[in-house]
Amino acid sequence: DAGVTQSPTHLIKTRGQHVTLRCSPISGHKSVSWYQQVLGQGPQFIFQYYEKEERGRGNFPDRFSARQFPNYSSELNVNALLLGDSALYLCASSLVPGNYEQYFGPGTRLTVT
Amino acid sequence: GESVGLHLPTLSVQEGDNSIINCAYSNSASDYFIWYKQESGKGPQFIIDIRSNMDKRQGQRVTVLLNKTVKHLSLQIAATQPGDSAVYFCAERPQGNYQLIWGAGTKLIIKP
Repeated sequence: DAGVTQSPTHLIKTRGQHVTLRCSPISGHKSVSWYQQVLGQGPQFIFQYYEKEERGRGNFPDRFSARQFPNYSSELNVNALLLGDSALYLCASSLVPGNYEQYFGPGTRLTVT
Repeated sequence: GESVGLHLPTLSVQEGDNSIINCAYSNSASDYFIWYKQESGKGPQFIIDIRSNMDKRQGQRVTVLLNKTVKHLSLQIAATQPGDSAVYFCAERPQGNYQLIWGAGTKLIIKP
């Protein structure tokens, strides 16, 4: 069985641009969470989605948005990119929210120049 | 603000010895704690969890200890192997909240 997949693996953008990151959860998993991991730090929670609805939101500006599709895949969108948005963006899937035996994808490395 | 931190950013351990990774948390309302392992170039991997009504939980070669009195969490790895080299994160979940708060991580280095 495939694990959590994320695309793209690496991305370089310039300030002010927009980016869309994609995540496909493990088959059967209905909950997807997004995290931002700055180099040398622990992941910070951005969003959690379950059954296509937002179930949780971390302390991130409105430039960050996400959605979950009927097949449970998810997109994370970031508008008006700032240098500080450079980070590894991780997606994690689980059967249901609150199940922290969640499975993480390899992440998307975003570099903003 | 609420935070989870680690005492040691880097820990070097001889192969075969036991490793102890420590974590301090500040939110007394947290009721669930998790340890994750992140190998280079990969996403974090769940290792073991513990609820606040327990003070010890054992897994395969790993043991988590929780001391709520001093808000301290530790991960013990028995007979450390080269494959244990990674950054280890503790995370806490404030009661009633799905959101995890992660610590900064401890890098475990295994010496041959």
